Amino acid sequence: GAGVSQSPRYKVAKRGQDVALRCDPISGHVSLFWYQQALGQGPEFLTYFQNEAQLDKSGLPSDRFFAERPEGSVSTLKIQRTQQEDSAVYLCASSSGTVKINQPQHFGDGTRLSIL
Amino acid sequence: AQRVTQPEKLLSVFKGAPVELKCNYSYSGSPELFWYVQYSRQRLQLLLRHISRESIKGFTADLNKGETSFHLKKPFAQEEDSAMYYCALRGSQGNLIFGKGTKLSVKP
Repeated sequence: GAGVSQSPRYKVAKRGQDVALRCDPISGHVSLFWYQQALGQGPEFLTYFQNEAQLDKSGLPSDRFFAERPEGSVSTLKIQRTQQEDSAVYLCASSSGTVKINQPQHFGDGTRLSIL
Repeated sequence: AQRVTQPEKLLSVFKGAPVELKCNYSYSGSPELFWYVQYSRQRLQLLLRHISRESIKGFTADLNKGETSFHLKKPFAQEEDSAMYYCALRGSQGNLIFGKGTKLSVKP
């Protein structure tokens, strides 16, 4: 596809369930970012991958959040034992740049997660 | 601390009026700043970045290091400009630090 693809678009889960959110970046993009956007707020950084290496996970709110990008392409954000405060839109962005080479980030449509 | 502040949650103007969306930042060093826009039912997309100094859809933004500001301006607003606008600062790891956003409503 031409852009960043995220699935599912919507996810409803009961409190305590585990969820997995998928991101397909633009082909060939080295960098991949995950952001969390709560209602009425701007996106907030969660974690960053350069190829398969997770270089920064300082934004992950708790150890219930885990992200991976094993082959340097598709990434999965997993949330274990979901809580109501995890309800948000989860955005994925990819870039052809790196930490040292600044290129624009291209965003997906996001996954809207609702925890009941 | 690295921070972006957008003081207005909502800005409402009439078509043809000038628009200024405010953005202030906090960053030690040389900042890289962006404006992103999200139209209704569309994904977040880059509007402009300060290093390219270009005008997109009639919008411009000038980096003022003395006032630590990067306000977005357009001399004559159009109805199709109605959207959410986010100011963002590039963090040390290449991540973006966003403001809370300003909803621009352009009335006919």
